[in-house]
Amino acid sequence: EPEVTQTPSHQVTQMGQEVILRCVPISNHLYFYWYRQILGQKVEFLVSFYNNEISEKSEIFDDQFSVERPDGSNFTLKIRSTKLEDSAMYFCASRSPGRLPRLELFFGSGTQLSVL
Amino acid sequence: GIQVEQSPPDLILQEGANSTLRCNFSDSVNNLQWFHQNPWGQLINLFYIPSGTKQNGRLSATTVATERYSLLYISSSQTTDSGVYFCAVELPGGGADGLTFGKGTHLIIQP
Repeated sequence: EPEVTQTPSHQVTQMGQEVILRCVPISNHLYFYWYRQILGQKVEFLVSFYNNEISEKSEIFDDQFSVERPDGSNFTLKIRSTKLEDSAMYFCASRSPGRLPRLELFFGSGTQLSVL
Repeated sequence: GIQVEQSPPDLILQEGANSTLRCNFSDSVNNLQWFHQNPWGQLINLFYIPSGTKQNGRLSATTVATERYSLLYISSSQTTDSGVYFCAVELPGGGADGLTFGKGTHLIIQP
């Protein structure tokens, strides 16, 4: 069964460093997403991406964050200068387009980011 | 934005027991999914269920969209069912706004 793949599964970095989280969405999907979950809290929407541009972004997704689809398969989340409060589990998700109803969103296994 | 309320917040059961988890949402939705977050933090898709009833083994789910709630049933619980169960919904809006998650139900199944 096709799946969304995320690497690395764990990332430890120093405060102020740049990190890139990588995702390979399901191959025929066209919508891509990043979500974040701080330990013990609910999963929060960060950003969605379609047709090589950001479709929607939340208040959390400030200028320190960026997303890119550098080739036909990868989807990346970059945090330019990490802060302690960026420590969280980051999930990538993808799905096929569809409206009524919206089609199922498939999630990767997550990258646990620890900022020291 | 849309409110997603899950109940109960915590549930402790003995192995073999049945349980019902509830998800209420404050607005009409175009998508509803149930997830199980395992102890390793992975989100496992359980059901994609914007309306109707589905069953998968010991798990089943029902969404009554007109009354704005969904139920997840777990029968004959096993210790591997432990974890956090999230309900997530999506508004019918025109943008790619993604899912809004509830706070989850933390389920502990004791042997």
